[in-house]
Amino acid sequence: QSVLTQPPSASGTPGQRVTISCSGSSSNIGSNTVNWYQQLPGTAPKLLIYSNSQRPSGVPDRFSGSKSGTSASLAISGLQSEDEADYYCAAWDDSLNGVVFGGGTKLTVL
Amino acid sequence: QVQLVESGGGVVQPGRSLRLSCAASGFTFSSYGMHWVRQAPGKGLEWVTLIWYDGSNKYYADSVKGRFTISRDNSKNTLYLQMNSLRAEDTAVYYCARDKIALAGTFDHWGQGTLVTVSS
Repeated sequence: QSVLTQPPSASGTPGQRVTISCSGSSSNIGSNTVNWYQQLPGTAPKLLIYSNSQRPSGVPDRFSGSKSGTSASLAISGLQSEDEADYYCAAWDDSLNGVVFGGGTKLTVL
Repeated sequence: QVQLVESGGGVVQPGRSLRLSCAASGFTFSSYGMHWVRQAPGKGLEWVTLIWYDGSNKYYADSVKGRFTISRDNSKNTLYLQMNSLRAEDTAVYYCARDKIALAGTFDHWGQGTLVTVSS
């Protein structure tokens, strides 16, 4: 059981916009920033969004993040086949004194 | 370019020990906090431990506290994870990752991972 809650799966067709939610509590998302990671099959995770909504250089602006209260979301617009991957949210947890992850969302491009 | 290369994984019996290493290059290693994150086969990501840039502070997940020890040698640009009293549930790919922002769970570079299998 992960501390942060994500839907196990999401899907969309090419060109569509999809969103993935991440729900936490006051000790993690409610008081700290949220990060998102993309993990393509058989590869290491890659930082996609940090500090709720910032994109590292090289990440397309099709990817965006937001946070409100104890929840966050990742939006992917103009969905492409290469976006098919697992997506994880993460944040620091002040009560656990460590990083907590969501269980991951498997995105399928139909 | 930033490179993180893990090594030391393998098959180990329950109760035994193993030490993982992560060789860093392409950046000033002594300026960054470093983490270990693991992923059990077919499962999600689990944070394991963090060490500050100078080794002064360390944090551990409850699942490994008292059994795992993180350390670093800034003169060798190398991060370590000493794993004792290994259990079957420690079987996973172990990644080292660089900390972009302190105490924020922001890992901006990851290694390729090393597989640890705990089995008799």
